[in-house]
Amino acid sequence: GESVGLHLPTLSVQEGDNSIINCAYSNSASDYFIWYKQESGKGPQFIIDIRSNMDKRQGQRVTVLLNKTVKHLSLQIAATQPGDSAVYFCAETYNTDKLIFGTGTRLQVFP
Amino acid sequence: EAGVTQFPSHSVIEKGQTVTLRCDPISGHDNLYWYRRVMGKEIKFLLHFVKESKQDESGMPNNRFLAERTGGTYSTLKVQPAELEDSGVYFCASSEDPRQGGYGYTFGSGTRLTVV
Repeated sequence: GESVGLHLPTLSVQEGDNSIINCAYSNSASDYFIWYKQESGKGPQFIIDIRSNMDKRQGQRVTVLLNKTVKHLSLQIAATQPGDSAVYFCAETYNTDKLIFGTGTRLQVFP
Repeated sequence: EAGVTQFPSHSVIEKGQTVTLRCDPISGHDNLYWYRRVMGKEIKFLLHFVKESKQDESGMPNNRFLAERTGGTYSTLKVQPAELEDSGVYFCASSEDPRQGGYGYTFGSGTRLTVV
């Protein structure tokens, strides 16, 4: 899908609260989904992934939920910390290791 | 283990000039990918090398872009002549085993290209 331009959607949360970042993906045939975290001046960093035969996967403080019916992916971060402040991207793939990224969401954590 | 290294980290050039970006993947990684994020939009795939061969170059925007990976080690991405719309951040990633989580991608920090 096309981007929303220069201004990323921003989610502002207080330290200790839970964060939920959402992503709408484009291809109903996509079978593998990845969440990345990008901090300023760094490249995207792998957080967690999920395959299309699952609807939930948990990691350390993070959970990814997949709703294939509405082509929606979410990333939940528990007990959000200042170090979680970054831009978060979802990515989808279908039968290839070429990633199709979403626009990104900026997460700001306030003390 | 050293990560994926890209340089320069920043480059400012005038429209019409040539710029060459370099990516040094993690040693031993056969798979090397180029992506770019233009004007704050989503990160888009450019191309994929397996060793020195171009596996997929479907994302290359036009013939002003030339990617090489001689000897299957480092890769260069040349933009000639650069246009204003080429401004953005160019990321390189390498992978040893695409069966790993996230296809085993390790991204570099990117090269921020500004064309004025």
